[in-house]
Amino acid sequence: DAKTTQPPSMDCAEGRAANLPCNHSTISGNEYVYWYRQIHSQGPQYIIHGLKNNETNEMASLIITEDRKSSTLILPHATLRDTAVYYCIVRARARGGSEKLVFGKGTKLTVNP
Amino acid sequence: SAVISQKPSRDICQRGTSLTIQCQVDSQVTMMFWYRQQPGQSLTLIATANQGSEATYESGFVIDKFPISRPNLTFSTLTVSNMSPEDSSIYLCSVALETQYFGPGTRLLVL
Repeated sequence: DAKTTQPPSMDCAEGRAANLPCNHSTISGNEYVYWYRQIHSQGPQYIIHGLKNNETNEMASLIITEDRKSSTLILPHATLRDTAVYYCIVRARARGGSEKLVFGKGTKLTVNP
Repeated sequence: SAVISQKPSRDICQRGTSLTIQCQVDSQVTMMFWYRQQPGQSLTLIATANQGSEATYESGFVIDKFPISRPNLTFSTLTVSNMSPEDSSIYLCSVALETQYFGPGTRLLVL
């Protein structure tokens, strides 16, 4: 299973863009990059995922480098409610052929007023 | 997407007892997962539960300690057996659709 590396914490000013980096240098060609976040005391929330092209949805943008060894999640206008732990995950396969998500430690993003 | 509920939302239990956690989904799903999140830690997969087959457990987790039922496509239970304080965690279920969606979690404290 490919592993990911994220900074343990980041700060961002409210209204500014938050750029969260992730390294996944051992990613395989058919593995996707997923981003989830976990707001305190809640279940993880899906944000976005991508294979090799940049992706954008109503929550965020995902930029994946051409060699796919790293990616950046961008929250274009961070709000206080975006304060959470953000997990970058490379999708792996569990025993029995089912898909599983392997969570690392993530990045604790604090949005400051 | 999917709407997932868990019961109980939290509980305080005595060591040596067992607790069964329920997970209900608002649509039929083939694959469900159970995760554990110990205090201050990230999520760890306990097992994958497919309807009609036995659950598949990850390394370090055994059926005797964490028996799982999956009676239909919208429901699953996880039992934490013979609890000790080390079992104090948040237990989360998730379902696999186009991606994984998570329930709100069950916060368990074992005294």
